[in-house]
Amino acid sequence: GQNIDQPTEMTATEGAIVQINCTYQTSGFNGLFWYQQHAGEAPTFLSYNVLDGLEEKGRFSSFLSRSKGYSYLLLKELQMKDSASYLCAGTDSNYQLIWGAGTKLIIKP
Amino acid sequence: IAGITQAPTSQILAAGRRMTLRCTQDMRHNAMYWYRQDLGLGLRLIHYSNTAGTTGKGEVPDGYSVSRANTDDFPLTLASAVPSQTSVYFCASSDSAGPGELFFGEGSRLTVL
Repeated sequence: GQNIDQPTEMTATEGAIVQINCTYQTSGFNGLFWYQQHAGEAPTFLSYNVLDGLEEKGRFSSFLSRSKGYSYLLLKELQMKDSASYLCAGTDSNYQLIWGAGTKLIIKP
Repeated sequence: IAGITQAPTSQILAAGRRMTLRCTQDMRHNAMYWYRQDLGLGLRLIHYSNTAGTTGKGEVPDGYSVSRANTDDFPLTLASAVPSQTSVYFCASSDSAGPGELFFGEGSRLTVL
């Protein structure tokens, strides 16, 4: 079956670094997305990885290992506004997105 | 800059009633999607449309219907609402049907009593 697993909740301290992991099983694979969703708001795009390796975009980086079915989102220099849910989504052979339940990230001062 | 507009933003509905959630985009995107989001579950695809005039079923299509008469509009209809359809509904669009960034509307919170 198709499945996306990510932790339900994580807590981190302002100014620190946090890594949010995601493992996936999809029928075929055409890339992995990360989205950010603040409470009560719509998801917004953060990153898309289709090749192995690390993609860096400012304070946020995303890593993919296709052989391990594994990705992570790395957030550096955490700010209070980073408190949100982070959604991992894999793309299957039909280019449909399979979504994880999201990781709620709580930032403490 | 509007992007994707959904209406209504919130609605309480009696079971058995018919309801249409509206979605309009001004980005001229070909592909549009309807998702529902429930606590503890990932976004689940209800229906999608890769281009005007075509629609397809997603993961949870039962009890819902869609139409795509033109590029901009993609309404979602609940023919006879049931309490299990209580959810937050998101409309989204993308430039193409393949993997690409999704742009989401602000969501419609629907409660069926």
